[in-house]
Amino acid sequence: SQTIHQWPATLVQPVGSPLSLECTVEGTSNPNLYWYRQAAGRGLQLLFYSVGIGQISSEVPQNLSASRPQDRQFILSSKKLLLSDSGFYLCAWSVNRLGGYTFGSGTRLTVV
Amino acid sequence: EDQVTQSPEALRLQEGESSSLNCSYTVSGLRGLFWYRQDPGKGPEFLFTLYSAGEEKEKERLKATLTKKESFLHITAPKPEDSATYLCAVQATTGGFKTIFGAGTRLFVKA
Repeated sequence: SQTIHQWPATLVQPVGSPLSLECTVEGTSNPNLYWYRQAAGRGLQLLFYSVGIGQISSEVPQNLSASRPQDRQFILSSKKLLLSDSGFYLCAWSVNRLGGYTFGSGTRLTVV
Repeated sequence: EDQVTQSPEALRLQEGESSSLNCSYTVSGLRGLFWYRQDPGKGPEFLFTLYSAGEEKEKERLKATLTKKESFLHITAPKPEDSATYLCAVQATTGGFKTIFGAGTRLFVKA
């Protein structure tokens, strides 16, 4: 069966520090991968998606970047965190771009 | 602009008290509508996909229905373990495969 792993679960980082969140999927090949951010009381905001290794599409210009170095690995990064980067970050995968997603357990990021 | 609006923002029910959550959407053309359940501090869990008006899906005490402008998630005889936030999302036929999420309805079921 397919599983998705996301870590860390919580992270407290100072302003200006770098960020690296990792997500891996097991039990499938060539998944579509997504990074979402969820703010309290608001819908999930799509940050990046990838349909294959090295293929990254950005939905919202911001202080973050994403990379897909391996088929089932998706990384969210920042060189210098801002206070506004705080939030709940979710990785997800799908078989294709139509259909429901399987989400990871999320990372609660607090920038102080 | 494509939009998804969920109501109410929060709903408090007694155990066994059936009710419905609403998801209204505005898209140029609907490719699919999705319902998720999200427990506090966790990622959303996929529940249903609906593709066309008149379609219905069921899972235990949950039943999702779809019209041309909205979807309902009916909860029959809820239990405390049904307490969660329920998210609705739509994917339009235009604008690529972008999925738009609503803000969710927080459901509280009291024993």
